[in-house]
Amino acid sequence: KNQVEQSPQSLIILEGKNCTLQCNYTVSPFSNLRWYKQDTGRGPVSLTIMTFSENTKSNGRYTATLDADTKQSSLHITASQLSDSASYICVVSSYSGGYQKVTFGTGTKLQVIP
Amino acid sequence: DGGITQSPKYLFRKEGQNVTLSCEQNLNHDAMYWYRQDPGQGLRLIYYSQIVNDFQKGDIAEGYSVSREKKESFPLTVTSAQKNPTAFYLCASSPTGGASKAQYFGPGTRLLVL
Repeated sequence: KNQVEQSPQSLIILEGKNCTLQCNYTVSPFSNLRWYKQDTGRGPVSLTIMTFSENTKSNGRYTATLDADTKQSSLHITASQLSDSASYICVVSSYSGGYQKVTFGTGTKLQVIP
Repeated sequence: DGGITQSPKYLFRKEGQNVTLSCEQNLNHDAMYWYRQDPGQGLRLIYYSQIVNDFQKGDIAEGYSVSREKKESFPLTVTSAQKNPTAFYLCASSPTGGASKAQYFGPGTRLLVL
């Protein structure tokens, strides 16, 4: 069964600090891995997307890494801001027959405090 | 929210009533999706459509119905057969023809049962 597990479930950090969120998956066959940011009561917004051959990808203060051998990914947030408070969702896709089947993690809820 | 609109933002359903959630996109995407989000769970796929006049059941289609008469529109009807409809509903779209295609999400509709 395809699964995506994220840790920690929730995290509180001080403004300006860095943090790292983890994602482990058992999706097969692997196509790509995405990190989304979801503000409370809003739809998710894509931060990064990585395919099998990519080890790291950055989007401003967000840097995602992927280890396809161990089936692990991390999202590193540098110099956190209050606006980073949100849920971060790891999504892993399989692709066959022209259609993506996506498996969503349950998310890590990040709270950045002053 | 990437050119996808959902309405209404909040919807109240009475027992035994069917309600329809609207989803419209102007991104010229072929594929559209409906997900349900419950607290503490990852997004779960209800229905998806890869092309106009065609749609497929997702993992939790029971009690829901959809139509795809136009490329831009993918309405979801929550029928009286859905016994636990209270949730946050998210519509998404994506281009087809490649594996590395991120899904763009709408702002969501929160459905509550009276």
